[in-house]
Amino acid sequence: EAGVAQSPRYKIIEKRQSVAFWCNPISGHATLYWYQQILGQGPKLLIQFQNNGVVDDSQLPKDRFSAERLKGVDSTLKIQPAKLEDSAVYLCASSLTGTSGGASQYFGPGTRLTVL
Amino acid sequence: DAKTTQPNSMESNEEEPVHLPCNHSTISGTDYIHWYRQLPSQGPEYVIHGLTSNVNNRMASLAIAEDRKSSTLILHRATLRDAAVYYCILRDYNAGNMLTFGGGTRLMVKP
Repeated sequence: EAGVAQSPRYKIIEKRQSVAFWCNPISGHATLYWYQQILGQGPKLLIQFQNNGVVDDSQLPKDRFSAERLKGVDSTLKIQPAKLEDSAVYLCASSLTGTSGGASQYFGPGTRLTVL
Repeated sequence: DAKTTQPNSMESNEEEPVHLPCNHSTISGTDYIHWYRQLPSQGPEYVIHGLTSNVNNRMASLAIAEDRKSSTLILHRATLRDAAVYYCILRDYNAGNMLTFGGGTRLMVKP
C-alpha cells in the first residue's frame, strides 16, 4: 500500500513570495490533515478535511494560508505572502475516517520550507 | 483535549527494554490514549493506542493504569532505529480524530 505522498520535499523562498505544497493521501482515506511543525516543537494542526469539506480550520492563519481538497482526494496548501515565521515542516496526514477517536493517522514525509 | 505530561528526554541502552511514561491526570472516560513516534527527518508514525486495557502489537506494548491517569509505552528491546521523539496524545472518541501534539519524549539509544 502506497503511503502519503508530498511534494516538494524542500523549498526555499524569500519573504513575501508565495508557495504551494501538494499532498496525495492514501487511497480510500476520507480524512486529510495539514500540520505545521516548527523546529523543536510537536506538529500543530492547521486544517482538517473530510472528503472535500473543511471540518476544522480554526488554527489556519487565513489572511495568508489557504487550502483546498478538490474532488476529495489530493490537496494543496498555499502560503501567500510568506513570512519568516512560516519556516517549518509542513506535514500532510490521512486517515480512513475523521469521526473515530481510535482511528490512526498516516503521515507523509513533509515539506521543509525555509523563508529567507 | 486533555493534556499529557512526558519527560523531555530519556536514554536507553541497545537491546534493553524501555519504559516511556505519560501522565494524563485529567483524562475523561471517552479519551483514547495514542502513541506516535517521529524518527529524524520523517513524519510521525502511529505506534499504538488503547482505551482501558493493556495493548500489544508488533512495535510495542501499552500499559494503562487502572485509574487511567497514566500510561507507559514499552519497547521490549530497544534498537538504534528506535531513537525518536515519542508523543503521548489523548483523543476523545466523540470529538473526531484531530491530534494535539505536545513536546514528546526524545529517546536516545546507546549502542
